[in-house]
Amino acid sequence: EVQLVESGGGLVQPGRSLRLSCATSGFTFDDYAMHWVRQVPGKGLEWVSGISWNSGSRIYADSVKGRFTISRDNGQHSLYMQMNDLRSEDTALYYCAKDVGRGLHWMNWFDPWGQGTLVIVSS
Amino acid sequence: QSVLTQPPSASGTPGQTITISCSGSSSNIRRNTVNWYQQLPGTAPKLLIHSNNQRPSGVPDRFSGSKSGTSASLAISGLQSEDEADYYCAAWDDSLNGWVFGGGTKLTVL
Repeated sequence: EVQLVESGGGLVQPGRSLRLSCATSGFTFDDYAMHWVRQVPGKGLEWVSGISWNSGSRIYADSVKGRFTISRDNGQHSLYMQMNDLRSEDTALYYCAKDVGRGLHWMNWFDPWGQGTLVIVSS
Repeated sequence: QSVLTQPPSASGTPGQTITISCSGSSSNIRRNTVNWYQQLPGTAPKLLIHSNNQRPSGVPDRFSGSKSGTSASLAISGLQSEDEADYYCAAWDDSLNGWVFGGGTKLTVL
């Protein structure tokens, strides 16, 4: 069974940093691209970032470009998101999601998703 | 303001058929495939439809997707109480170089 378990969320002050992790199991991690998607509680979904199977391609939503960095450790079957210069508008539940392909391709989709980790940016 | 536009709410009675629309543009829906996700209350999103109209195994055939031009639709027939959820469309956007989601449609089964 494919499992994605996010961690690292919490309460952080504006301008500070946080690192999210997504531990995976049940599939060959280095065969798939991965993504982060966030959701403000009670609101809609926003794709944040994606990384290809070998980290050769990384893309970001404009809202986080230059502040967030996605990475992965294929040996540890884990996905990460380094979040710097956090703002109140970054407050959300952050989901890790598995792509169905190796690369970041328009034809792909996200399946499955983890349960999310909550990030609250507040002073 | 989401790049893809969905109605915020929809409703129907058990057994009815409802349709949820998703409107985009030439940079996303017209050129690329559309996926739909279902989010049951208090849970993570789950893939419902991919590649415009393909159902993953385990998804009932009551759910169907279609696409035409810059719009896509999700139809649910034989509506059941357990279909109460939020539904999101998503597609790759060539201009933004990333994935975009609709704002979500909250389905209520009356």
